[in-house]
Amino acid sequence: SAVISQKPSRDICQRGTSLTIQCQVDSQVTMMFWYRQQPGQSLTLIATANQGSEATYESGFVIDKFPISRPNLTFSTLTVSNMSPEDSSIYLCSVEGLGAGDTEAFFGQGTRLTVV
Amino acid sequence: AQSVTQLDSQVPVFEEAPVELRCNYSSSVSVYLFWYVQYPNQGLQLLLKYLSGSTLVKGINGFEAEFNKSQTSFHLRKPSVHISDTAEYFCAVRYSGNTPLVFGKGTRLSVIA
Repeated sequence: SAVISQKPSRDICQRGTSLTIQCQVDSQVTMMFWYRQQPGQSLTLIATANQGSEATYESGFVIDKFPISRPNLTFSTLTVSNMSPEDSSIYLCSVEGLGAGDTEAFFGQGTRLTVV
Repeated sequence: AQSVTQLDSQVPVFEEAPVELRCNYSSSVSVYLFWYVQYPNQGLQLLLKYLSGSTLVKGINGFEAEFNKSQTSFHLRKPSVHISDTAEYFCAVRYSGNTPLVFGKGTRLSVIA
């Protein structure tokens, strides 16, 4: 298993500002993922972040709006840029591939973002 | 497109009653199946998973699920629920080795005293 720490756990931000969410894992992992969970909805994958390469974004998400860093195998950040109320969601960091044949995903506690 | 369908968005059930949360996925040669639980204001926690072998999988907190390939289903069951089981439950599928999980829309289980 993995222990994943996400910061901040929640924040209230003004529209037009940016927020950077941090994800720290207690072990080295190859694959890290960022999800968005809008109120009352399921998880939507934003992007896959692998160390040493550019993040891969899913349809509907772009780097200018959600820039991601992955400086090493235990850390990643997601920035929500130029925020609007529609960005109010829970943002979740996830890791996979902790061991050979391991297929499950582990999640951080999430960051609850409210944009006013 | 590959998809996961959770047929019930909300399931109210009385305490100590049995419950079944339904999950169906789009057909594929081989899949890995998962159920996650999300308690209020928390992240997702793995309940159980099916990778191969026995089709009946037992997880934490007394939950179990059965993989039915012919019906492309992976329903979650518990014979007797507790108030503490009140949470959101997500079914997830991995359709091939290196692809991200595909999540269902979730089922909100509300246990009534």
